[in-house]
Amino acid sequence: QVQLQQWGAGLLKPSETLSLTCAVYGGSFSGYYWSWIRQSPGKGLEWIGEINHSERTNYNPSLKSRVTISLDTSKNQFSLKLTSVTAADTAIYYCARGIARYGFGSPFDYWGQGNLVTVSS
Amino acid sequence: QSVVTQPPSASGTPGQWVTISCSGSSSNIGINTVNWYQQLPGTAPKLLVYSNDQRASGVPDRFSGSKSDTSASLAISGLQSEDEAYYYCATWDDSLNGRVFGGGTKLTVL
Repeated sequence: QVQLQQWGAGLLKPSETLSLTCAVYGGSFSGYYWSWIRQSPGKGLEWIGEINHSERTNYNPSLKSRVTISLDTSKNQFSLKLTSVTAADTAIYYCARGIARYGFGSPFDYWGQGNLVTVSS
Repeated sequence: QSVVTQPPSASGTPGQWVTISCSGSSSNIGINTVNWYQQLPGTAPKLLVYSNDQRASGVPDRFSGSKSDTSASLAISGLQSEDEAYYYCATWDDSLNGRVFGGGTKLTVL
């Protein structure tokens, strides 16, 4: 059974860098897009970006200048870094697996448990 | 403001049939497939329907999806109290070159 388990710092100050990691258990990296999605308190879902097993990345244009998603296949993990955070970046952050054979906009069949990241001075 | 639009709320009584719409454009729903997710309070979203009309594994056949031109719909028949949740559509937008989610619809079972 595939499981995504994520972790990272939950409280940041403005201008700091958000860093989250998602470990993948029970599956390979090949054939999937590995994404990060966030949800601001009481709001909807916002796609942040994704990476595939070849380390090709796609990012949300509104966040692209601040986002880096990377892969560590030796550890079966992928990570998110978001620089220069502000209060507007306060959200629950989810990692998720997209099934690549369905093309762009592929469905997310497995999700991490979510991490609340709060940005406050 | 998302490029794909959902009604903020929908409601129905137990046993009823309800639909949730997702309206987009020629750069997203018009040329790409749509997926639907259910999010119960305090939990991660769960895949319900993918590729417009394919039910995900374990999803009851009360849930069905469809797409026509630049719009998609999620239908729920035989509404049950446990269906009370937020529902999100999602697709790819060629103009933005990225994934987009609808704003979400809160379904209330009266």
